[in-house]
Amino acid sequence: GAGVSQSPSNKVTEKGKDVELRCDPISGHTALYWYRQSLGQGLEFLIYFQGNSAPDKSGLPSDRFSAERTGGSVSTLTIQRTQQEDSAVYLCASSLVARAGSYEQYFGPGTRLTVT
Amino acid sequence: EDKVVQSPLSLVVHEGDTVTLNCSYEVTNFRSLLWYKQEKKAPTFLFMLTSSGIEKKSGRLSSILDKKELFSILNITATQTGDSAVYLCAVDDNQGGKLIFGQGTELSVKP
Repeated sequence: GAGVSQSPSNKVTEKGKDVELRCDPISGHTALYWYRQSLGQGLEFLIYFQGNSAPDKSGLPSDRFSAERTGGSVSTLTIQRTQQEDSAVYLCASSLVARAGSYEQYFGPGTRLTVT
Repeated sequence: EDKVVQSPLSLVVHEGDTVTLNCSYEVTNFRSLLWYKQEKKAPTFLFMLTSSGIEKKSGRLSSILDKKELFSILNITATQTGDSAVYLCAVDDNQGGKLIFGQGTELSVKP
């Protein structure tokens, strides 16, 4: 596709319910990232997938959060037993991986999650 | 703890003004600094800086990095209302590619 896509764009859920957020990265990008942006805040790193390597989960705020990436492409972020403090915009990004130096990340439009 | 700090947090200017946005950082193992523009939703990439003193330029926007003093600036000349957005600064600390973001600067350009 032309860019990173995410679904749903908006999700309202009741406290205690589980939610799944989906990310479709740019074709050919081997790296995929999830970030969270709370109201008026910068982006907070959650998890990073690179090819077939074990994901970097160091940013996940609790064990209620998990993510998987199937077939090296689409990723799903799952939040179990949602809490009100989980309300935020969840952004996905993808990038190529260069042998040396950095590589820009391209962001999707995000999923706005509201926990009532 | 690695951190990125942006200033000011918000700024209101009039069309035609020139603005300078600041980003300072403290990271253990710096690899690059990136600037993004965020309007409604997805942040869009502006610049990536890896070397000190080399200005990156795109139209009315330019940016430069000082690795000795650990900061970067983003300049916007002859501002337009379409420049209104949140500008995000992020640093790659060479730990797998994840970015550490600042809080952002919210720029509002009035007609």
